[in-house]
Amino acid sequence: AQSVTQLGSHVSVSEGALVLLRCNYSSSVPPYLFWYVQYPNQGLQLLLKYTSAATLVKGINGFEAEFKKSETSFHLTKPSAHMSDAAEYFCAVSAGGGFKTIFGAGTRLFVKA
Amino acid sequence: EADIYQTPRYLVIGTGKKITLECSQTMGHDKMYWYQQDPGMELHLIHYSYGVNSTEKGDLSSESTVSRIRTEHFPLTLESARPSHTSQYLCASSEYGGTGGNSPLHFGNGTRLTVT
Repeated sequence: AQSVTQLGSHVSVSEGALVLLRCNYSSSVPPYLFWYVQYPNQGLQLLLKYTSAATLVKGINGFEAEFKKSETSFHLTKPSAHMSDAAEYFCAVSAGGGFKTIFGAGTRLFVKA
Repeated sequence: EADIYQTPRYLVIGTGKKITLECSQTMGHDKMYWYQQDPGMELHLIHYSYGVNSTEKGDLSSESTVSRIRTEHFPLTLESARPSHTSQYLCASSEYGGTGGNSPLHFGNGTRLTVT
């Protein structure tokens, strides 16, 4: 069975500061990992995905995430926050048969001017 | 631009009414899904489909039903709405993918349902 834990339901950073959103996963087989972003009144859209090709994955809008098997982590980072990054971010895992995607509870990112 | 469309965006309805939430996608994806989303909670999978005439219940028990008569269309129906059904419903699709699991989900903008 797979599961995802996102540490921190809310994260607040100043504009220009580093963004770090934490995600830990549990999977009995090699996982596929994803980060999605959700802006108000919209559905989720893909930021990036890990599919075992490279441990450091670059996504859209300057975000990247690093897969660390030893730590079962897939944290999302961005060097410099922008006001437009304010949104909710979801980490997700997909593995094994059935191809179901399991989501974390989400982290809401606030960006202060 | 959205390739997966959900209607209506917002719906307020009284208890006991029958409702259908519409979802259509133009990407030719085989797999489609319905998720229920509540504030501060994980998205919960309530139904999914591998293709035409295939439907499965997800991990979260739901009193809703779905159908998949056409590849592009995956409507969700509540026969008798209750206040406990108040939530946001997200439809998604993905390519089937030979190895499975690594195809990302494409989401619609959701339907926010309020049952009074």
